[in-house]
Amino acid sequence: GESVGLHLPTLSVQEGDNSIINCAYSNSASDYFIWYKQESGKGPQFIIDIRSNMDKRQGQRVTVLLNKTVKHLSLQIAATQPGDSAVYFCAEAGTFAGGTSYGKLTFGQGTILTVHP
Amino acid sequence: DGGITQSPKYLFRKEGQNVTLSCEQNLNHDAMYWYRQDPGQGLRLIYYSQIVNDFQKGDIAEGYSVSREKKESFPLTVTSAQKNPTAFYLCASTTMKGAFFGQGTRLTVV
Repeated sequence: GESVGLHLPTLSVQEGDNSIINCAYSNSASDYFIWYKQESGKGPQFIIDIRSNMDKRQGQRVTVLLNKTVKHLSLQIAATQPGDSAVYFCAEAGTFAGGTSYGKLTFGQGTILTVHP
Repeated sequence: DGGITQSPKYLFRKEGQNVTLSCEQNLNHDAMYWYRQDPGQGLRLIYYSQIVNDFQKGDIAEGYSVSREKKESFPLTVTSAQKNPTAFYLCASTTMKGAFFGQGTRLTVV
């Protein structure tokens, strides 16, 4: 079936560095993608989303890039802080009744981000 | 405060027992979802409900059941037919910004 996967399972960075987390997806028909942050023992927290009609979207310290040609997503975190340490998931939204189903998500395995002070 | 509340946070089940996990939201969202997360894995969809009194199976529905009698509530029952129920269970409801999750219930079979 369709899947969303991550290239790197772990990423270690120094505080203040920029972090880049990558994700590959296989369903070329997908039109909505989300990045989530999950801290230990907690539910995933929405970070940023992007639709397939965009290549780039910026939030506060975070940027998501979408390359539809190679079906690749990335999450860039600027000036990474120790509080950014968590598991990061990309997710792809499925469809329902011909439209985007925002909760019917296919998740990747996750990347563990560790930020060293 | 508005949000999604899951209870209990930790749950222990004996083999052969059914258990029910609670999920309540006061966000007035129509759609609600249940996901399962195993260690080192992403989330997998168990069941979802787009509207009251209606629900659909997700990717791993076997051994689980749900009900949606009220908009605010979407309880998940883990039945004895679920052979490997130990996992972290997450409930979500949605807006056009994607799914927003509760804090999860960690279920352990003892």
